[in-house]
Formats: sequence, structure tokens, C-alpha cells
Amino acid sequence: EDQVTQSPEALRLQEGESSSLNCSYTVSGLRGLFWYRQDPGKGPEFLFTLYSAGEEKEKERLKATLTKKESFLHITAPKPEDSATYLCAVQAHSGYALNFGKGTSLLVTP
Amino acid sequence: DSGVTQTPKHLITATGQRVTLRCSPRSGDLSVYWYQQSLDQGLQFLIQYYNGEERAKGNILERFSAQQFPDLHSELNLSSLELGDSALYFCASSVSGGTNEKLFFGSGTQLSVL
Repeated sequence: EDQVTQSPEALRLQEGESSSLNCSYTVSGLRGLFWYRQDPGKGPEFLFTLYSAGEEKEKERLKATLTKKESFLHITAPKPEDSATYLCAVQAHSGYALNFGKGTSLLVTP
Repeated sequence: DSGVTQTPKHLITATGQRVTLRCSPRSGDLSVYWYQQSLDQGLQFLIQYYNGEERAKGNILERFSAQQFPDLHSELNLSSLELGDSALYFCASSVSGGTNEKLFFGSGTQLSVL
């Protein structure tokens, strides 16, 4: 069975304090790994898709990387507006639906 | 705004009742997904439709059913409701429901079963 585990569950950073969120996965053939951002009371919003080990993608202060067993979401010099829950999801060769982890709740304080 | 519309935003009902949640996908998207989000389980995939046909099934209870209509909107029906069904229900859509397509999520329906 496909499994996605995110850590830590919650993270509190000072503005400007860089850090990384982890997403470990076990899947029977990975089609793609997705990162989403979810703000309170809203639906998840797409950030990145990674397809193969070694791939990296960047968007503003966020950079996502992928290995054969895990993905990292690096946040460089975060700002309070980066506060949100970050969700990782995998799509396996066995199907089309995304299997989500439980997320990391990030709080960035001024 | 993702372009995916869900109604109602909030729903309060009693145990044993039946409710219907509605979703309109983004213009041009043929595939619709339903997810359930609770604090302890996270986002759980329920079911996917593509152009009116069921494509994939996840952890959907037998008390729950869904359909996608010719105009591509979708409805999720929840019956014999239990306290544990209280959760946030999201609809998402994608162009064709295939490989590596990003999903666009609606704002969700918050269901409270009392």
C-alpha cells in the first residue's frame, strides 16, 4: 500500500530562518510527487510536481527536491505570508488519484 | 480562485440524515475528484470521475455515493450520517484525470453532523 509520511507535523520559524520540510514515501512505481500549499479554510493550491530522482524545482522562496525515497521542500528566508500547511502527495503507477500525507503546519513569525 | 465551485460552504445536520454536496469543475476540465479531510486522517481520496464515468475508487464508504452529470458537475451523496462523518469535503478537477496532472481544488464543504 502506498504511504506518504510528512515531518515535522508542525514547524515554527522566525522570519528569515531557513528550514526544510520532509516527505517520505513508499509507492509501487512513482508517476509523480506533488507539493501543495493549504491556507486555513481553503482548498490546497498546487506548488510543484517532481517526476524523477534528482529533479529540483523552485518558486520564489521555495525549492522542492526529490530522491528515490523522499522529497524535501526547502524554504529560504521565509516571510510571515509563507505560513500555511504544506501537503505532499504521490501518484502511483497503480492509479491516477493523489495520495496525500497529513501535512506540515508552518508558522513564520515576524 | 481555482475555478472549482463547491456548494454549500457549510452544512449542519443530524445523525441518520442524508445530504448532497455539489461541485462544478473548472471550465474545460473533464475529471472530478472527491476528497475528505479530517484532523486525524488528513486528505483521503474518495472517488474520481472522468466525463461521467467512474474512474477510480478510494476509501469511500458504502453509505456514500457520487455521480458526474452530462454538464460535468458532480454530486457527492452522504447517507445515514454518523458523527464521524463530520469533516471538510473537497472537490478537485483536472483536464483529463490522467498521469501527472495537477488538481485544482475548491474551497470545500464543511459538514458537521450533530
